[in-house]
Amino acid sequence: QVQLVQSGAEVKKPGASVKISCKASGYTFTGYFMHWVRQAPGQGLEWMGWINPNTGGTNYVQKFQGWVTMTRDTSNSTAYMELPRLRSDDTAVYYCARDLCSGGSCFVMDIWGQGTTVTVSS
Amino acid sequence: QSPLTQPASVSGSPGQSITISCTGTSSDVGGYNYVSWYQQHPGKAPKLMIYDVSNRPSGVSNRFSGSKSGNTASLTISGLQAEDEADYYCSSYTSSSLKVFGGGTKLTVL
Repeated sequence: QVQLVQSGAEVKKPGASVKISCKASGYTFTGYFMHWVRQAPGQGLEWMGWINPNTGGTNYVQKFQGWVTMTRDTSNSTAYMELPRLRSDDTAVYYCARDLCSGGSCFVMDIWGQGTTVTVSS
Repeated sequence: QSPLTQPASVSGSPGQSITISCTGTSSDVGGYNYVSWYQQHPGKAPKLMIYDVSNRPSGVSNRFSGSKSGNTASLTISGLQAEDEADYYCSSYTSSSLKVFGGGTKLTVL
């Protein structure tokens, strides 16, 4: 079945970096954009951007541009998101989510990973 | 502050119907028929319930319906069931080629 499996929880110190993975299975990885969404503790959802797994092209929310890097490895159907220079307010659950539409983005996420908790604490 | 405005909480008794509103602007909700709704149970990933204002993905109960008027979209849940108790988030495409979410609404089934 179609699923996204994310890497496990991370605990990092301020200033460190983290790279989260999202492995896709059950569908053609390069056929659907991948979104990343974060959720701070007790807060709502925040869309961060997407990556086109076919071309590697990205679209980031302005507040994340120059900080977040979304990449992919088509050989093992995995998307990645790297967060450098972590701060305590980056503590959140980070989700990858597949776009509903094939071949482009309709900005609707139909399949979600289980989430990766990133805790930033000294 | 979230770009889209939702009530913090709504409640209803089993069998009743409830409606959750989502207010944006002409640059997002009002400008496009690209509103979607997500359900999130505690500790779980969100689940897509409605997309493109009123379309239901396969497998989602027809008790869930969506609509839009002007800059406000709505999610209606009829025949409330205990399992519907969750947080609900609206989202919309924007004129800046981005996606924004509402702040979320906690639904309590009394």
